[in-house]
Amino acid sequence: EPEVTQTPSHQVTQMGQEVILRCVPISNHLYFYWYRQILGQKVEFLVSFYNNEISEKSEIFDDQFSVERPDGSNFTLKIRSTKLEDSAMYFCASSEYEGTQPQHFGDGTRLSIL
Amino acid sequence: AQSVTQPDIHITVSEGASLELRCNYSYGATPYLFWYVQSPGQGLQLLLKYFSGDTLVQGIKGFEAEFKRSQSSFNLRKPSVHWSDAAEYFCAVGHSTGANNLFFGTGTRLTVIP
Repeated sequence: EPEVTQTPSHQVTQMGQEVILRCVPISNHLYFYWYRQILGQKVEFLVSFYNNEISEKSEIFDDQFSVERPDGSNFTLKIRSTKLEDSAMYFCASSEYEGTQPQHFGDGTRLSIL
Repeated sequence: AQSVTQPDIHITVSEGASLELRCNYSYGATPYLFWYVQSPGQGLQLLLKYFSGDTLVQGIKGFEAEFKRSQSSFNLRKPSVHWSDAAEYFCAVGHSTGANNLFFGTGTRLTVIP
């Protein structure tokens, strides 16, 4: 079964540094998402992306965050100047269509900010 | 505003016993409802989904869930739990129109004892 793959599985970064989290969505999927899960808390929506632009974003997704689909397969989340509170598990997801189609999640990238 | 409540943070059951995990949602229209499972160090795997029609939906690994509109609930059930079912279970609600982000509950951790 096709999978969403995320790299790296664990990223350790100094506070203030930029970090890029990478995702390869399922190949025929058109909608892409980023979620995060702070340790012990619920999974929270960050952003959705369709047709090379952001379709929706949460209040968490402020100016330090950006997303990009640099080529036909990768989907990236960039955090420009990381803060301690950015430490979390970041999940990428993709779906074939919006609404009725379920989102398929990757295994996540654990981001640790020192 | 949309929200999902999973009132049980942690449940312990004996292997072979039946299981019910509770989920209540708040949503202004007909929701799309999902259950995801997260094993340690893994991503979110879709167990089952409800969009419309039959209110009892079957999923993978022997799980089922029943949508009860009058109670705003979507409880997950399994008649006989296996040790491999030990994981974190998340209920999520999605929009029936337009926006496509998911709202997750805080999760229920299932421990299975032999």
